[in-house]
Amino acid sequence: GNSVTQMEGPVTLSEEAFLTINCTYTATGYPSLFWYVQYPGEGLQLLLKATKADDKGSNKGFEATYRKETTSFHLEKGSVQVSDSAVYFCALSEFGGGADGLTFGKGTHLIIQP
Amino acid sequence: EPEVTQTPSHQVTQMGQEVILRCVPISNHLYFYWYRQILGQKVEFLVSFYNNEISEKSEIFDDQFSVERPDGSNFTLKIRSTKLEDSAMYFCASSGVENTEAFFGQGTRLTVV
Repeated sequence: GNSVTQMEGPVTLSEEAFLTINCTYTATGYPSLFWYVQYPGEGLQLLLKATKADDKGSNKGFEATYRKETTSFHLEKGSVQVSDSAVYFCALSEFGGGADGLTFGKGTHLIIQP
Repeated sequence: EPEVTQTPSHQVTQMGQEVILRCVPISNHLYFYWYRQILGQKVEFLVSFYNNEISEKSEIFDDQFSVERPDGSNFTLKIRSTKLEDSAMYFCASSGVENTEAFFGQGTRLTVV
């Protein structure tokens, strides 16, 4: 079956540091890949996505590249801010979009200190 | 900005009782979903709903669970006889006609005692 593995948290960084949150996946087909973010007290928000190999998703300074050869979709940001503190979820779907049958990772709690 | 809203934010219920979790999806959306996250575990897919019927469901979604869109605006998840292991955060989501992005609610934390 499908699965997503992401690095355990919490991850604590100082403001303006470089961020990487690792995500690897196992899937039987050719999934779409997603990063969702959950800010305190709010719902899950789609941060970025990529639907095929070598696609790069980007939003709000975050980027992730769909690497089929390493089955990875690592999230990066060059300079984090305190407002980036949240829980980040990597996810995949073999149905292409929406929220059909999303398989999520456990989530990584990111804490940015001023 | 339109958003998915869920009520209540926290519900405590006794084992064996029925609970109904409520969601108001974004008004022109057509696809609706429930997910749950047991504390410390992954977010898991429960069910998807389109055109007034279930389109997909996971093996978690057994006979104890049901969904309904009773009035064209609310989307509910009912658990008939709650068990301790039903304690989790339940997320509702909806997406529009092109079904390319889902919007999630803030979740309802269900505690079964």
